[in-house]
Amino acid sequence: AQKITQTQPGMFVQEKEAVTLDCTYDTSDQSYGLFWYKQPSSGEMIFLIYQGSYDEQNATEGRYSLNFQKARKSANLVISASQLGDSAMYFCARPGAGSYQLTFGKGTKLSVIP
Amino acid sequence: EAGVVQSPRYKIIEKKQPVAFWCNPISGHNTLYWYRQNLGQGPELLIRYENEEAVDDSQLPKDRFSAERLKGVDSTLKIQPAELGDSAVYLCASSGRTGYNSPLHFGNGTRLTVT
Repeated sequence: AQKITQTQPGMFVQEKEAVTLDCTYDTSDQSYGLFWYKQPSSGEMIFLIYQGSYDEQNATEGRYSLNFQKARKSANLVISASQLGDSAMYFCARPGAGSYQLTFGKGTKLSVIP
Repeated sequence: EAGVVQSPRYKIIEKKQPVAFWCNPISGHNTLYWYRQNLGQGPELLIRYENEEAVDDSQLPKDRFSAERLKGVDSTLKIQPAELGDSAVYLCASSGRTGYNSPLHFGNGTRLTVT
């Protein structure tokens, strides 16, 4: 089974600054894209952004962008102009080989400082 | 559109007792998932439904867990009997289409505490 690694258990960022959250995967199968989800303290997992593995340009959704580097097996989330409401857990997730099951990383807790 | 609705929000039970969780997916979403999220971890899949058929239940502990999705809409996840290690957040998710690039839409989850 593939493993998704998020090496930053916790991150702090100043309000209005940009922050990068890291995510790597360990499988050699490059067929699948990668998702990022946000989980506020309320518990709901909120879909943020997705990029397919064959997309040529990095995905962007508002203040979120995904820096996908297949050679490094990484897909980092960049949040620009951080807001207080961005404080939450962030999870990256990827489908497994031949399965729709999403494998999630352990998450990164982002705290935005006013 | 209304999101995925789960109930109850919280549940505290003693070990060996039964418990059930309910999920109403987004209208029109044929694919439904149950995930379990242990403290400090990402969610892990328990079971996936396509309409009323369970198409992936390989990680469901079938000795004590059961699930159903009658009529391909609402779903219920049951644990009987509950063990201390079942304490976790149980998340339901739905998707409007099948595919590796289909985002899952999650509910708020049910936080289960087994004492």
